Amino acid sequence: DIQMTQSPSSLSASVGDRVTITCRASQSIGSYLNWYQQKPGIAPKLLIYGASSLQSGVPSRFSGSGSGTDFTVTISSLQPEDFATYYCQQGYSTPATFGQGTKVEIK
Amino acid sequence: EVQLVESGGGLVQPGGSLRLSCAASGVTFSSHWMSWVRQAPGKGLEWVANIKEDGSEKFYVDSVKGRFTISRDNAKKSVYLQMNSLRAEDTAVYYCARYYYGSGSYDYWGQGTLVTVSS
Repeated sequence: DIQMTQSPSSLSASVGDRVTITCRASQSIGSYLNWYQQKPGIAPKLLIYGASSLQSGVPSRFSGSGSGTDFTVTISSLQPEDFATYYCQQGYSTPATFGQGTKVEIK
Repeated sequence: EVQLVESGGGLVQPGGSLRLSCAASGVTFSSHWMSWVRQAPGKGLEWVANIKEDGSEKFYVDSVKGRFTISRDNAKKSVYLQMNSLRAEDTAVYYCARYYYGSGSYDYWGQGTLVTVSS
């Protein structure tokens, strides 16, 4: 199975900050990397698919990059509604696997 | 608007069975793979199973193989997860999700249904 490792596991940031979360795959997955946002008690929401494509309806302050084994998601200017947990997920092979999550908290 | 609504969760004893259902609306259901993803309390996300558009292919995470069965009824726009021989470690919120084959992503999710395995 492909292991997905996110860093950091948590971070504290202020509204307006630029935030970057990293995801590393244990082997090359091309661009088959997806990012999700999850708020407490609510289902995950797809933010970015194919490493860098923004899902419909997702604000343009979110962006994704990377290929192979190293990927990032960046929030250019953190908004109050962005405080949540973010997960990466590889869609390259079965079983699909997720990172352990990065919790973005208010500083 | 795509909507996925799960039902069937609840409290079950170890070794028991439960059948989850997921009803879809606002989507051409028969054109998409469907999946179940679970999340244990306070933990991360774990993919459980996928089923192809016509039900001809099914895939499972190793920990549920031989115990869980995914199925679908395209006429009813529904996908199911039959869970047998349940264990405490199967306790989780189970989400139904639409699987987008092109990117291997889950683009629509239900609200989830809680399964608790405990005596």
